[in-house]
Amino acid sequence: GEDVEQSLFLSVREGDSSVINCTYTDSSSTYLYWYKQEPGAGLQLLTYIFSNMDMKQDQRLTVLLNKKDKHLSLRIADTQTGDSAIYFCAEIYGGATNKLIFGTGTLLAVQP
Amino acid sequence: NAGVTQTPKFQVLKTGQSMTLQCAQDMNHEYMSWYRQDPGMGLRLIHYSVGAGITDQGEVPNGYNVSRSTTEDFPLRLLSAAPSQTSVYFCASSYSGGMGQPQHFGDGTRLSIL
Repeated sequence: GEDVEQSLFLSVREGDSSVINCTYTDSSSTYLYWYKQEPGAGLQLLTYIFSNMDMKQDQRLTVLLNKKDKHLSLRIADTQTGDSAIYFCAEIYGGATNKLIFGTGTLLAVQP
Repeated sequence: NAGVTQTPKFQVLKTGQSMTLQCAQDMNHEYMSWYRQDPGMGLRLIHYSVGAGITDQGEVPNGYNVSRSTTEDFPLRLLSAAPSQTSVYFCASSYSGGMGQPQHFGDGTRLSIL
């Protein structure tokens, strides 16, 4: 079945770049997403990429997609303490629907 | 415009009790869904609905019932709570069930079953 994997934890210093990685299994996924979850809150959509793209940039966020290796990454430039959160990647599954399968989440800790 | 509202925010139940988790959205979204979040497992889809009167099962539907009598509301029912249902529950909605529609999440309901 489908499975989305992420490393559990990443620690960076304020001002450095953060790179959060994700691998997925469904090669037919058309959309891949990055969500952010702050403590005690729901999930906030950060960005998404369509499968015919290799890269998408949105201000401090850069998403890279390697379809051959089924690898997705999120780069956060100039990481701030406010970026500390859990980051989830997600893919569409089940055909032409909006059903999402999520990764396990990566906890990003930003040290001042 | 409140977005997606979940109630209650916290709840403690005893094994065997029943409960309904409420979810309401004011964005006129057709697609609504319920997820549970457990440590180390990400979010898993329980049930979803593509419109009023239509519901379907997700990854982990056992032990949960849903109904969708209006566009705005999508309650999740636990008929006989079990400790394995201790989790954080999130409701989400999107404009339609079509691929790529951004999903908006509520703040979650934290449920403990003793």
